[in-house]
Amino acid sequence: GESVGLHLPTLSVQEGDNSIINCAYSNSASDYFIWYKQESGKGPQFIIDIRSNMDKRQGQRVTVLLNKTVKHLSLQIAATQPGDSAVYFCAETLVGGADGLTFGKGTHLIIQP
Amino acid sequence: EPEVTQTPSHQVTQMGQEVILRCVPISNHLYFYWYRQILGQKVEFLVSFYNNEISEKSEIFDDQFSVERPDGSNFTLKIRSTKLEDSAMYFCASSDLRHTTQYFGPGTRLTVL
Repeated sequence: GESVGLHLPTLSVQEGDNSIINCAYSNSASDYFIWYKQESGKGPQFIIDIRSNMDKRQGQRVTVLLNKTVKHLSLQIAATQPGDSAVYFCAETLVGGADGLTFGKGTHLIIQP
Repeated sequence: EPEVTQTPSHQVTQMGQEVILRCVPISNHLYFYWYRQILGQKVEFLVSFYNNEISEKSEIFDDQFSVERPDGSNFTLKIRSTKLEDSAMYFCASSDLRHTTQYFGPGTRLTVL
């Protein structure tokens, strides 16, 4: 049959507000997680990562939270700017397991002026 | 800042033709990867490469695909006989060690007619 592209969840926020992007990961054994940002026509750009021995990690304007109990990952972006508009993907892997990252389906973040 | 580069940015080919997609990973990285992203869909792992051999490959990476490190800087993906469904963005990535951050190139858009 004909393949259909995924309908991406969209999050629309006002410039200057905080954004929270959520991700449900698939493998309970995964122990390394990465958030990537993908702007239109470009490759995934690393934002922040976290290992399973942590539940929170902060970067510049970004924070990643990990809840292993419910297999949930979130990315918080403080004081969003127009340049934050992009699709955000979470990716997971198991250290000692497969080489390849398993990507989530992505969330489209739109910044309203 | 070092980055992964890819050429060409866009490749158009006829069905059944061979294509070679080229990548220059970050210079001190040891692990190299190819991923693809069909329009509107998730990024999918194809293959990883280490120490001049394939480390791991996904079920997508069938006999039509091959990878090579022809010299000390380039990493290539060859598709022997392209099919319409091979149309996608192909991303190269590299990491310094296994299960560390993978840095992605800008991608090659492959269009098979």
